[in-house]
Amino acid sequence: GAVVSQHPSRVICKSGTSVKIECRSLDFQATTMFWYRQFPKQSLMLMATSNEGSKATYEQGVEKDKFLINHASLTLSTLTVTSAHPEDSSFYICSAREGRESDGYTFGSGTRLTVV
Amino acid sequence: GQNIDQPTEMTATEGAIVQINCTYQTSGFNGLFWYQQHAGEAPTFLSYNVLDGLEEKGRFSSFLSRSKGYSYLLLKELQMKDSASYLCAVMDSNYQLIWGAGTKLIIKP
Repeated sequence: GAVVSQHPSRVICKSGTSVKIECRSLDFQATTMFWYRQFPKQSLMLMATSNEGSKATYEQGVEKDKFLINHASLTLSTLTVTSAHPEDSSFYICSAREGRESDGYTFGSGTRLTVV
Repeated sequence: GQNIDQPTEMTATEGAIVQINCTYQTSGFNGLFWYQQHAGEAPTFLSYNVLDGLEEKGRFSSFLSRSKGYSYLLLKELQMKDSASYLCAVMDSNYQLIWGAGTKLIIKP
């Protein structure tokens, strides 16, 4: 089945620094990838939809200048958290779909970001 | 607004059957998904329903009633490894996924 690789799995950074998270679709091309954030014991919250070759679409309330998304190829999307603060500490997950809706969306393994 | 409701937590016994319900109110409907998420891990796809009725996949089955805005996930022959959160998600008319908060399922021996 479809596999989405996400790196790093865990990262600890100092407040004010930037962190880049990579999401790769293996063995399939993903023109669209989705970036989610999940706080403990809460639901997945869609942050943005990443579109290959064009600008990402951000959800209401998500700062596009803070969460930079680049989808430079059909297999790679990156999320950069700029000037990270402790409140940005969360679980970030990407997902993509290889085929039809009935095949479901495949998620990356997630990135646990801790800002100290 | 759009809303997905599912119980916060359920407890069941190993070997038994459990049904996790999900009700939804969304702007349009293009399918309902169930995902399993173990603590600290990403969700994994379990099922997709777009037509009314029951879809069976091994020990797991998912049911949908579009007229009632209702779905359930049925887990049979429960195993300890089934302890996880189960997320219900609906795809709305804009093909956006609306996620429920998840149901934490605790399996006791």
